[in-house]
Amino acid sequence: EVKLEESGGGLVQPGGSLRLSCAASGFSFSGYWMSWVRQAPGKGLEWVAHIKYDGSEEDYVDSVKGRFSISRDNANNSLSLQMNSLRFEDTAVYYCVKKSGRLQNQPDDSWGQGTLVTVSS
Amino acid sequence: AIRMTQSPASFSASIGDKVSITCRASQGISSYLAWYQQKPGKAPELLIYAASTLQRGVPSRFSGSGSGTDFTLTISCLQSEDFATYYCQQYYSQPTFGPGTKVDIK
Repeated sequence: EVKLEESGGGLVQPGGSLRLSCAASGFSFSGYWMSWVRQAPGKGLEWVAHIKYDGSEEDYVDSVKGRFSISRDNANNSLSLQMNSLRFEDTAVYYCVKKSGRLQNQPDDSWGQGTLVTVSS
Repeated sequence: AIRMTQSPASFSASIGDKVSITCRASQGISSYLAWYQQKPGKAPELLIYAASTLQRGVPSRFSGSGSGTDFTLTISCLQSEDFATYYCQQYYSQPTFGPGTKVDIK
């Protein structure tokens, strides 16, 4: 059974930093693209970033480029999102998400339960 | 970025109804279209991918159709567990989601 468990969310002031982590199990982690998707309170879903199965490629939504960095540790089956220069509008539940295959253009077939990031003064 | 729109934004229906939700992409995305269901307080779940392929374990009352820019999710006989919000997503390029369609009980 695929399991994705996020951690690291919390309350942070504007301009601050936070690092989210995702522990993956139940599948061959090193064989899949992984993503972060967020959902602001009461709002829809927004893709944030994704990373290739070997860590050699990554991409970001424009609103977080230069502030967020996605990374992975295939030896320890973990995914991370380093978030710097946080803004009020980054407040959201952040989901760790597994794509369904080795290609970039794949749907998201497994989701964690999410971790809440609140940016507030 | 490719923009996704959905209609309607919300609607009420009764158990047993046949309902459809429409999704439109701002440019052609072939069949790189997925549908997700989300219930309050829960993570989204993949229902359909490649526009019309049912994810393993999803009931056959769910179906998807379309290609290019126009897509439809249909629930043939609404059940109580289907009251939720539904999102379409294109993964042809950098992924984007539609704004969601909330289905509630009439």
